[in-house]
Amino acid sequence: GDSVTQTEGLVTLTEGLPVMLNCTYQTIYSNPFLFWYVQHLNESPRLLLKSFTDNKRTEHQGFHATLHKSSSSFHLQKSSAQLSDSALYYCALSFLDSNYQLIWGSGTKLIIKP
Amino acid sequence: AQTIHQWPVAEIKAVGSPLSLGCTIKGKSSPNLYWYWQATGGTLQQLFYSITVGQVESVVQLNLSASRPKDDQFILSTEKLLLSHSGFYLCAWSLRGQGAGQDTQYFGPGTRLLVL
Repeated sequence: GDSVTQTEGLVTLTEGLPVMLNCTYQTIYSNPFLFWYVQHLNESPRLLLKSFTDNKRTEHQGFHATLHKSSSSFHLQKSSAQLSDSALYYCALSFLDSNYQLIWGSGTKLIIKP
Repeated sequence: AQTIHQWPVAEIKAVGSPLSLGCTIKGKSSPNLYWYWQATGGTLQQLFYSITVGQVESVVQLNLSASRPKDDQFILSTEKLLLSHSGFYLCAWSLRGQGAGQDTQYFGPGTRLLVL
């Protein structure tokens, strides 16, 4: 079945270093939609990025991701981590005919230390 | 502007007692609505979705049920709580008619539930 894999459960970085959170997906459909949601402590998740265009970089709030259908990946990156980036990050998958379900990854907790 | 309200904010309930959680969306007509559950420190689990009044589809039941009595209201309930029901319950909405794959989901503030 369809699935999303986030290999890192916890990533701890020092402020100023680059961030890369991995997301790979598995699906039989050729037109996936990929999302990154961010959830800060005691808050609700909110959309950070989304994409359905192959090999096109999507950017928002200093973060960027590129959907690579050839490798089924949608990794989240940022050039320089800030303390405020500490949060839980979810990668999610959907399709045009998804019957309204988002398939969620298990999430990556990002902790940025000074 | 659209707003999403969930009630109650938090609840402490006894095992075996009934539960009703509510969600209201204002400022959006005929949204798609969703219920999610998140265990403490856990991942998001979609429970139910609804694309129209009176119609609710189950994704994972977890001994819970959902109803959509009005266009802007989504209710999650159970007659008998289990310890495993503890967690964070989130309601979300998305625009209807854009194609599910493109819909951004907007989450409410959530309800924290502790079952003892």
